[in-house]
Amino acid sequence: EPEVTQTPSHQVTQMGQEVILRCVPISNHLYFYWYRQILGQKVEFLVSFYNNEISEKSEIFDDQFSVERPDGSNFTLKIRSTKLEDSAMYFCASRVTGELFFGEGSRLTVL
Amino acid sequence: AQSVSQHNHHVILSEAASLELGCNYSYGGTVNLFWYVQYPGQHLQLLLKYFSGDPLVKGIKGFEAEFIKSKFSFNLRKPSVQWSDTAEYFCAVIPRGGGGNKLTFGTGTQLKVEL
Repeated sequence: EPEVTQTPSHQVTQMGQEVILRCVPISNHLYFYWYRQILGQKVEFLVSFYNNEISEKSEIFDDQFSVERPDGSNFTLKIRSTKLEDSAMYFCASRVTGELFFGEGSRLTVL
Repeated sequence: AQSVSQHNHHVILSEAASLELGCNYSYGGTVNLFWYVQYPGQHLQLLLKYFSGDPLVKGIKGFEAEFIKSKFSFNLRKPSVQWSDTAEYFCAVIPRGGGGNKLTFGTGTQLKVEL
């Protein structure tokens, strides 16, 4: 069964460093998403992406964040200068119709 | 914009007890509804979904949910819980139709099943 894959599964970084989280959505899907979940909290929407551009973003998704679909298969989330509060699990998701399919997540720890 | 409320934040049950977790949403149009489960330290897994048709939907692991349109509710139920059902449960909603619409999650319900 096709699935969304994410790398790395866990990344530890120093505050102020740039981080890129990678996702390979399901191949025929058209809509792509990033969500995050701070430990013990709810799953929060960050950004949605369709037709090679951002279609919606939350107020969390400030200038430190960017997304890209560089080669038609990968979908990346870049955090330019990480802060302690960026420590969270980041989930990628994709869909073609009504259901989002989630990856297993990338745990980001900022020290 | 849509919103989702889960009123039970923490639920503790004994094995074999029945479960009902509440979920209400707010949105002016039609929606697709979901319940996700997250076992400790794991990722989100889809339990069940409602798009249209029979408002009583059955999912994996014996879970079911009923969509009541007039109450904007999509409550999750299980007749007899097991210790292995200990997890966090998230209700989620996405507007139907149109591209790029986001899935909005409720705050989650932490279920602990005791032996």
